[in-house]
Amino acid sequence: SAVISQKPSRDICQRGTSLTIQCQVDSQVTMMFWYRQQPGQSLTLIATANQGSEATYESGFVIDKFPISRPNLTFSTLTVSNMSPEDSSIYLCSVEDGLAGVRSEQYFGPGTRLTVT
Amino acid sequence: RKEVEQDPGPFNVPEGATVAFNCTYSNSASQSFFWYRQDCRKEPKLLMSVYSSGNEDGRFTAQLNRASQYISLLIRDSKLSDSATYLCVVNAMFSGGYNKLIFGAGTRLAVHP
Repeated sequence: SAVISQKPSRDICQRGTSLTIQCQVDSQVTMMFWYRQQPGQSLTLIATANQGSEATYESGFVIDKFPISRPNLTFSTLTVSNMSPEDSSIYLCSVEDGLAGVRSEQYFGPGTRLTVT
Repeated sequence: RKEVEQDPGPFNVPEGATVAFNCTYSNSASQSFFWYRQDCRKEPKLLMSVYSSGNEDGRFTAQLNRASQYISLLIRDSKLSDSATYLCVVNAMFSGGYNKLIFGAGTRLAVHP
């Protein structure tokens, strides 16, 4: 499976600021995704990062709050804008294994632990 | 009703025990099913995909019952290192061919000496 890295691994930010999280994959992948995992909860999909076009956002998530870039097949960024304490969470990127075909197996980066004060 | 439901646990079992986790899903059009393992403060890692006929990987056995929309994971001969949260994951299908992974809230397993 692909090797996925994320930067930063953690950050503490002040409310009202923005943080950009980077996700790098060691091989070209078609599908990349961004998830949020709030404390004590399971994963929630934020958006699908589409290469060369705008990301596809899930209900409850908007581009103004979570702008996403996907300049090529190995890299994506997620920005958490105008942060509030409610944005404190782990943010994870994932990729879909192209060899899996319809099975949609996804592999996750190590996550970015964000605390907003 | 949640799209993917799991017993949150925790399941506290001694080493060597056999433990089973169950999961139900609501979207009957779902095509793919998985179990992920998540250790504390780590990312989820794919444990196994679940095939229609059921499948086994060492001490782990996964089964799928499409009629009942039910998935199970059996762990035999539990090890201390099996302690983790086990996430049931379903690839849910929506209208227009759109699909995405839906994660259950997870079942916590604690294996003690």
